Amino acid sequence: SAVISQKPSRDICQRGTSLTIQCQVDSQVTMMFWYRQQPGQSLTLIATANQGSEATYESGFVIDKFPISRPNLTFSTLTVSNMSPEDSSIYLCSVVTVPNTGELFFGEGSRLTVL
Amino acid sequence: QKEVEQNSGPLSVPEGAIASLNCTYSDRGSQSFFWYRQYSGKSPELIMSIYSNGDKEDGRFTAQLNKASQYVSLLIRDSQPSDSATYLCAVNTLDTGRRALTFGSGTRLQVQP
Repeated sequence: SAVISQKPSRDICQRGTSLTIQCQVDSQVTMMFWYRQQPGQSLTLIATANQGSEATYESGFVIDKFPISRPNLTFSTLTVSNMSPEDSSIYLCSVVTVPNTGELFFGEGSRLTVL
Repeated sequence: QKEVEQNSGPLSVPEGAIASLNCTYSDRGSQSFFWYRQYSGKSPELIMSIYSNGDKEDGRFTAQLNKASQYVSLLIRDSQPSDSATYLCAVNTLDTGRRALTFGSGTRLQVQP
């Protein structure tokens, strides 16, 4: 599987600010996704990061709140905008490295706490 | 109805026993099924994938799939304390071409020494 690096690994943020999370993969991948895991909960898909075009967002998630960039096949960013305490979560970058398997591999996650 | 359902547990088994984890899914068109292990404070780690009906074995782990019953399970033989974690079932629903996985809420497994 690929090496998936996320930055920052954790941060404490103030209400109303924005934070950008970076995801770097050590090989080119076609499929890249951003998930959120709220405390004690399972994983919820935020969006599919599409290379060279706008991300595809899931119901309940909007571009203004979670803008995503994916300039190439190895890198993506997720911004959490105008944060509130409800945004305190672990944000996970995930990729499919072997086409047609559907197997997702995850980065280490970025744990955000919003005060 | 949730798309992927799991009993939240905790499921407690003694060391050396077989742990049986279960998952049901609602989309009959689902084609790919996965089990992930997540230790506290860590990201999910893929442990098994299964695509066709029947059993698939990998070391101490066996995944079982029954598409007619929309049921997938994970058996862990000779359970060890290090197996204590939350186990997430994930399904590729292929809804409108979506390729991301839908996750269940996870079952917390505790292996007692």
